[in-house]
Amino acid sequence: SQKIEQNSEALNIQEGKTATLTCNYTNYSPAYLQWYRQDPGRGPVFLLLIRENEKEKRKERLKVTFDTTLKQSLFHITASQPADSATYLCALTDSWGKLQFGAGTQVVVTP
Amino acid sequence: EAGVVQSPRYKIIEKKQPVAFWCNPISGHNTLYWYLQNLGQGPELLIRYENEEAVDDSQLPKDRFSAERLKGVDSTLKIQPAELGDSAVYLCASSLGSAGPTDTQYFGPGTRLTVL
Repeated sequence: SQKIEQNSEALNIQEGKTATLTCNYTNYSPAYLQWYRQDPGRGPVFLLLIRENEKEKRKERLKVTFDTTLKQSLFHITASQPADSATYLCALTDSWGKLQFGAGTQVVVTP
Repeated sequence: EAGVVQSPRYKIIEKKQPVAFWCNPISGHNTLYWYLQNLGQGPELLIRYENEEAVDDSQLPKDRFSAERLKGVDSTLKIQPAELGDSAVYLCASSLGSAGPTDTQYFGPGTRLTVL
């Protein structure tokens, strides 16, 4: 069966450092991979989408890599700020646009 | 521009009671989604609408769950009767429907359901 794994333990990081999150998947060949941010009591907010033929995508302080051979995506937040504290979800997307989410990783950025 | 609106935000009911959730998508968005999110988990798709048509309801437990999207705008998700295991957050999302699989989905704040 399809499986998406994200670090279940919260990532505690000091302000200014780079946070790196991992998303691994098995038994799936996604056309795209997306990353979302979710704050408590709110719905997920789209951050980035990367295609299967793209190795890397950047948006401001965010960087996503996608390795279809390793079946892994890495999500980086550079120069992290306390406002970056949230849960980050990866979502595999098939060619029809159907999303399958991972459980998410909580990031806590301390001043 | 207003985002996806959901109501109620919170609902507490006793098991075996019916419950309904309402969603108003972003204006002009043709595609509407209902997701279920359990604590500590990611959202799981229940049903997807393209205008009025339910194009993917394979994950909707049809024995107790039903949904409708009349006139291709607002949508209602109903559970009857509710069970203890239905306690979760029910999220509604919408997208333009024009970009195919790369359509950005915009989520509402969700309805937190507690079944006692």
